[in-house]
Amino acid sequence: AQSVTQLDSHVSVSEGTPVLLRCNYSSSYSPSLFWYVQHPNKGLQLLLKYTSAATLVKGINGFEAEFKKSETSFHLTKPSAHMSDAAEYFCVVRAISGGYNKLIFGAGTRLAVHP
Amino acid sequence: DAGVTQSPTHLIKTRGQQVTLRCSPISGHKSVSWYQQVLGQGPQFIFQYYEKEERGRGNFPDRFSARQFPNYSSELNVNALLLGDSALYLCASSLGQGFDEQFFGPGTRLTVL
Repeated sequence: AQSVTQLDSHVSVSEGTPVLLRCNYSSSYSPSLFWYVQHPNKGLQLLLKYTSAATLVKGINGFEAEFKKSETSFHLTKPSAHMSDAAEYFCVVRAISGGYNKLIFGAGTRLAVHP
Repeated sequence: DAGVTQSPTHLIKTRGQQVTLRCSPISGHKSVSWYQQVLGQGPQFIFQYYEKEERGRGNFPDRFSARQFPNYSSELNVNALLLGDSALYLCASSLGQGFDEQFFGPGTRLTVL
């Protein structure tokens, strides 16, 4: 069965410092992995996706994630946090079940950015 | 182009009532999926519809049903509402069934009293 575990429910950083949001996955086959961001009162927005091409994936707004099969991890990073990055972040794995696809979301990591 | 739209934005119902939520996908998208997001948790998959047929169903009771219309818009129906059905209901559309990229609407906030 496919699943994702987000290792931190809350992360707090200062503006201008690096961001690291951690995600481990479990999958019986080569996974498709995603990071989504959810700002208050807004819909989910896709940050980036991994679909078995390059292991380092670049996304929008300066975010990137590295797929590490040996560690079953897909951590999200950003070199320098901005106040506008404060939001809820979800690590997501695509699962194949009963002949169809569905997205399985982690519990989320709330990122706070302080001045 | 307009993104995914959902209506209504907010809804308050009482236990035992029925509710219908609506979703319009991005133009050209033929697949619509529904998710339930309970406060403080990640979204959970409810249904996927593609080309007007149900293609996938999550672990939700039969009180939850959906359909997709010829213009690819979709409705989610929930009967016999329970307090635990209070959540943000998200609709997502994609070009096809493959889930490579899903675009989410802003959601409908359902409160059951």
